[in-house]
Amino acid sequence: QQQVKQSPQSLIVQKGGISIINCAYENTAFDYFPWYQQFPGKGPALLIAIRPDVSEKKEGRFTISFNKSAKQFSLHIMDSQPGDSATYFCAATPDGGTSYGKLTFGQGTILTVHP
Amino acid sequence: EAQVTQNPRYLITVTGKKLTVTCSQNMNHEYMSWYRQDPGLGLRQIYYSMNVEVTDKGDVPEGYKVSRKEKRNFPLILESPSPNQTSLYFCASALQGAGELFFGEGSRLTVL
Repeated sequence: QQQVKQSPQSLIVQKGGISIINCAYENTAFDYFPWYQQFPGKGPALLIAIRPDVSEKKEGRFTISFNKSAKQFSLHIMDSQPGDSATYFCAATPDGGTSYGKLTFGQGTILTVHP
Repeated sequence: EAQVTQNPRYLITVTGKKLTVTCSQNMNHEYMSWYRQDPGLGLRQIYYSMNVEVTDKGDVPEGYKVSRKEKRNFPLILESPSPNQTSLYFCASALQGAGELFFGEGSRLTVL
């Protein structure tokens, strides 16, 4: 039972383009939504996170858009660069991220940015 | 340097031969967790620990054991490994909450 569904599974973008990764969740108790970035041979690292009291959060070229009514959130990478090539995971957890319990991950998206 | 250290990084073993993957963090984090990563399935939680001597099952605990005798260490034990446990394993820790995890670099396990 996958509580967080992520798409697409893989994505190829040209340098300078916009990369968009989508996630949908089912559990209405989720209220903290982090994104993790994983480079080959490395562990995932926290990239950016959002709580549902805002509809958008931006950090540099990375933006999370959040639609609470649709139970969907997405990651937008503006001006995508070859160095952004990595696997991206969305995730969700209840209790504002303070829950000492489960962080549920999506299936992951392999992003390739061509020069 | 703040880090989560896993060993071994790579291991090939045979069915039924007990093995332990160690995990140690130097950030004085209370929360630690193990995940396995498989293509198309993302990261799935195996076990987690909120503090010393407190552990709980994640989504895929079958075939695994853990212990948390010290705050910094959280070993993953496979008592009788099977080929379906061939995977990439990650240990992670957090100061507070499961939202902001610090991951190790992973341990790739192959069970023949």
